[in-house]
Amino acid sequence: LAKTTQPISMDSYEGQEVNITCSHNNIATNDYITWYQQFPSQGPRFIIQGYKTKVTNEVASLFIPADRKSSTLSLPRVSLSDTAVYYCLVGDLFRANAGKSTFGDGTTLTVKP
Amino acid sequence: GAVVSQHPSWVICKSGTSVKIECRSLDFQATTMFWYRQFPKQSLMLMATSNEGSKATYEQGVEKDKFLINHASLTLSTLTVTSAHPEDSSFYICSARDLRGQGGPEQFFGPGTRLTVL
Repeated sequence: LAKTTQPISMDSYEGQEVNITCSHNNIATNDYITWYQQFPSQGPRFIIQGYKTKVTNEVASLFIPADRKSSTLSLPRVSLSDTAVYYCLVGDLFRANAGKSTFGDGTTLTVKP
Repeated sequence: GAVVSQHPSWVICKSGTSVKIECRSLDFQATTMFWYRQFPKQSLMLMATSNEGSKATYEQGVEKDKFLINHASLTLSTLTVTSAHPEDSSFYICSARDLRGQGGPEQFFGPGTRLTVL
């Protein structure tokens, strides 16, 4: 299982774009990259998932360089409600034991008014 | 996205009693579910992998006789904390994988169950 490294914490202000980078130097060929958001006393919520290049959905974008050794979650125009812990997970989703992922420490994002 | 539910959302029990937590995939079938535990201000720790119709696979350091897992159907997995003690107090979260995602399988998490052992 690929080990991930993220910044422990980040601060931002409302309306700004926030980019959180995750390093996964030993990512395997079949591994996907998935980002989750977690609020206190809640289960992680799926944000976005990708394999290479760029993925965009209604809440975020995910940028993955060609070597796939890192990925960047981009949150456009954050609001106070985006204050949460963000986790980056790497794993082979098609394997039978997919989901046997190791959560890193995550990044605590604090959005200020 | 797919929905995973847990019941109960919170439970308080006396030391020495057993507590059962249910995890259900509401709109998809899951041959595999996962159980995590999370202590305050810490990350999620995988406890075990629950396989439908077979025995669960436990992570190193997790007592299989204390944390009983049953995955009797494609939409239900249960975690029973037997003879619970105060140190078992934690936030228990399950997850399941939905194979229908257009961008690949997606793993969805339940809302968690807060267990407090007095």
